[in-house]
Amino acid sequence: DAGVIQSPRHEVTEMGQEVTLRCKPISGHDYLFWYRQTMMRGLELLIYFNNNVPIDDSGMPEDRFSAKMPNASFSTLKIQPSEPRDSAVYFCASSLNQGKHEQYFGPGTRLTVT
Amino acid sequence: AQSVTQPDIHITVSEGASLELRCNYSYGATPYLFWYVQSPGQGLQLLLKYFSGDTLVQGIKGFEAEFKRSQSSFNLRKPSVHWSDAAEYFCAVGGENKLVFGAGTILRVKS
Repeated sequence: DAGVIQSPRHEVTEMGQEVTLRCKPISGHDYLFWYRQTMMRGLELLIYFNNNVPIDDSGMPEDRFSAKMPNASFSTLKIQPSEPRDSAVYFCASSLNQGKHEQYFGPGTRLTVT
Repeated sequence: AQSVTQPDIHITVSEGASLELRCNYSYGATPYLFWYVQSPGQGLQLLLKYFSGDTLVQGIKGFEAEFKRSQSSFNLRKPSVHWSDAAEYFCAVGGENKLVFGAGTILRVKS
């Protein structure tokens, strides 16, 4: 298996622009998680899906953030409009179960908003 | 609610020395416990996990961890550290709800 795939690996954009991050989970995993990692706040869970349905989005910081999972093999995290404080590394992870099984992480997308 | 405390932000050890990274958790039921490692510019990689049974679990890269219910701890150990072990280490607890990560411990290895 190729593992969790994220694209792009790096994104540099200007404030106010729309940013879309993409994730392909491991085949057969029915949970998908989006995390944000910063020096100040560490690793934060933004949202997670079970069988393509959003279960808990309490970690999504603002309405500027939205996430979708149109099918079992694809998810997007969108920021519109982006702000400099959104600069972070965004990780996608997948697992067979949200708490009882290990999560497998993608390599992350490093987002810089100028 | 679940929570994880990693009391050491940074640890420096000499190559070849032993290592212990501390992790304390808070969870009402039997926890599922994990240690992950993150090398610079990389995602998190699972080192080991504890679900039940033997409280001493072995992981990859020569790491082990011991679950101590009485101390609510799940400390990570390695008998002899290699320079390639320099990375950030995260402890996590999972249960019925989401996985919760600690703040991480950065390990530096000096030669």
